[in-house]
This record gives sequence, C-alpha cells and structure tokens, in this order.
Amino acid sequence: QSALTQPPSASGSPGQSVTISCTGTSSDIGYYNYVSWYQQHPGKAPKLLIYEVTKRPSGVPDRFSGSKSDNTASLTVSGLQAEDEADYYCISYEGSKTLVFGGGTKLTVL
Amino acid sequence: EVQLLESGGDLVQPGGSLRLSCAASGLTFSSYSMTWVRQAPGKGLQWVSSISGGGGTTYYSDSVKGRFTISRDNSNNALYLQMDRLRAEDTAVYYCAKTFTSTMWYRGFDLWGQGTLVTVSS
Repeated sequence: QSALTQPPSASGSPGQSVTISCTGTSSDIGYYNYVSWYQQHPGKAPKLLIYEVTKRPSGVPDRFSGSKSDNTASLTVSGLQAEDEADYYCISYEGSKTLVFGGGTKLTVL
Repeated sequence: EVQLLESGGDLVQPGGSLRLSCAASGLTFSSYSMTWVRQAPGKGLQWVSSISGGGGTTYYSDSVKGRFTISRDNSNNALYLQMDRLRAEDTAVYYCAKTFTSTMWYRGFDLWGQGTLVTVSS
C-alpha cells in the first residue's frame, strides 16, 4: 500500500487558479477512476470536494474541479479565495481491496 | 441533522486495547459502507478499515490487519473499531466516515465525524 505523491505545498493569490497534483501508479490512479479529493482546515474533519476523478458533490463550488491523465490526478482551484487556505488530500482505490492516500498539500492563499 | 459522532478515544498503554464507537443519526445507516480513517498528530490521513453496509465484508490496511476489528450494529446505527495490541504508532485522531453506497466503499467519503483521539503511551 504505497502512498500517492503530492507536493507538500502550493500557493496562489486571490482570484488566481492553482492545480495540485497527485501521482500514483498504473495499479491505482492509472487503472481505476476512483480518485477523491478532500479539503481539511486546521482542527477540522476532512470535507469531500471531488469523487470518481471529476464529480462534485452538491454544495461544493464549481471553482473546484478534478481531472486525471495517466497515473496522475489533479485538483484545480479556480478563483482562489482566502477560505481555500487548507490542506488537501487525494485518495485512490488500489485494487486488492485497499485504499491509498496522498501525503497532503498545504495550500496558501497569498 | 445528518451526523456522525465518534467516542471512545483515550490514553492507553502499548499492548493495550480500546474500542471506538461512531454513532450515526439522520440517515439510513445500513445503506452505506463505513470507514475508519486516522491522522497522527501533524501528519496526513491514513485509511484504517472499511465495512460494507450489511456488515458482511470487511477490509483492513496492512498496518492494522490482525490487530483491529471493524464491526457495525445496524439496529443501533453504530460503527465500532476494536483495537488490540496497540502500538505507539497507532496514536492518532480516528475519524469515521460514510460512503455513498452499501458496497462500493472506495467511491468517496461524503460525511465525516469530528474525530476521537487515541494516545498510545506508557
């Protein structure tokens, strides 16, 4: 159960767009369309932003979008707002009835 | 209101046992797979274990397999995690989380509890 690779940090100014990558292998992200993304503010529980690579739950602003290419999934936050400053995590199904998580990316809004 | 509420976290010695609970309200509990996810202090999220809606199928990460047991009581809308032979590296906040469906537990977790802290230390 190897971890997915995320950049430890990302940043952008209000109104800009930022993309966070999540790199796995041909056994997880590259094979399955079960990638989800979560936002976590300090001291709070994670919140689902994206599931099944591109789908957005009701209530999540369309400023958040997901995509995938080969073994890498990406989360794009458009029109950055101050409240977007948080930690972001990706998760992928790995088959063999296991899940793998990314190490997290701390997004700073400058 | 739809919510999950964990309890049972405590300070326990290495080698000890602890049972966590997650009380669900405002949803048809048996219709959803449930999962435990943990987060060590200052660290990232880690999958621990999942269970199908009916409770008949369970899944575990390698790090807890053979030591932890996930179960559920659908009549009481409750999820459990029995943790045995605890180690220092099990120290973390433990969250319970709900999936969209009864069987495809890996689709995504759309509802989380607030977490309960487990500290393993002598």
